[in-house]
Amino acid sequence: DAKTTQPPSMDCAEGRAANLPCNHSTISGNEYVYWYRQIHSQGPQYIIHGLKNNETNEMASLIITEDRKSSTLILPHATLRDTAVYYCIVRVVRGGGGADGLTFGKGTHLIIQP
Amino acid sequence: ETGVTQTPRHLVMGMTNKKSLKCEQHLGHNAMYWYKQSAKKPLELMFVYNFKEQTENNSVPSRFSPECPNSSHLFLHLHTLQPEDSALYLCASSHGQGVVETQYFGPGTRLLVL
Repeated sequence: DAKTTQPPSMDCAEGRAANLPCNHSTISGNEYVYWYRQIHSQGPQYIIHGLKNNETNEMASLIITEDRKSSTLILPHATLRDTAVYYCIVRVVRGGGGADGLTFGKGTHLIIQP
Repeated sequence: ETGVTQTPRHLVMGMTNKKSLKCEQHLGHNAMYWYKQSAKKPLELMFVYNFKEQTENNSVPSRFSPECPNSSHLFLHLHTLQPEDSALYLCASSHGQGVVETQYFGPGTRLLVL
C-alpha cells in the first residue's frame, strides 16, 4: 500500500469547514483512498473512501486531485464532537474481494475550537 | 454503536495470568481483525480472519493466541504477557468478499499488564 503524509495537527473553529490534507504521491491506479477517524480512546470510525472522483456522504466530502497524488477531507460544518485523529489510508483494491488489514499512520489530530 | 462489541472493556492482569478478550459482531460480516494500539503509536494490525480461517498473522508473538470459532466471534487468548503489551486492543469486522472493504471497529479493550 502507498505511503501517506498528513500534518500532525490542525485547529479549526466550530461551525467552519475543516479541510484535512493528505499526500499520497506514490499511489497506484488500483489503490483507493480511505479516511477513518478516532475519537479519544474509542475505536476508529469509517468516514469515506474514493478512487478518483470526488465523493460526498452525510459525514464529509473527499476531494481527490486529478493526478491522485493528494486528497482533502472536508468536514463542512465542524462541531466540537469532530475533535479526533483523522487517518488517511491508501489500500490496494482486491479484484476478487477479500479481507486485508488497514495500515494506519499517525494521522492528523484535528482540534475544533469553540 | 457500530455493531461490534468487545468484552471486557478494561482488564488488568499479572504477567503469569491467562485471560481472553472477546469480540462479537452483529453485522453479518465474514472477516474479523485484531489490532493493537500502544500509547503514542499508530494502530498495528495483529491478525486477520476471513470465513473463520486465519489469513494474516503480522508477526505477533505466540503469547497472543487468536481463535475464531465462527464468523461472528473472535477471541484473543493472552498468556504470560509483558508490561509492554499494555495497550488498547481493537477488534474490527468487514464483509470479507467485497472489492471495497469498510471495517467497523469495536470500542476496544484497554489492557494493563502488571
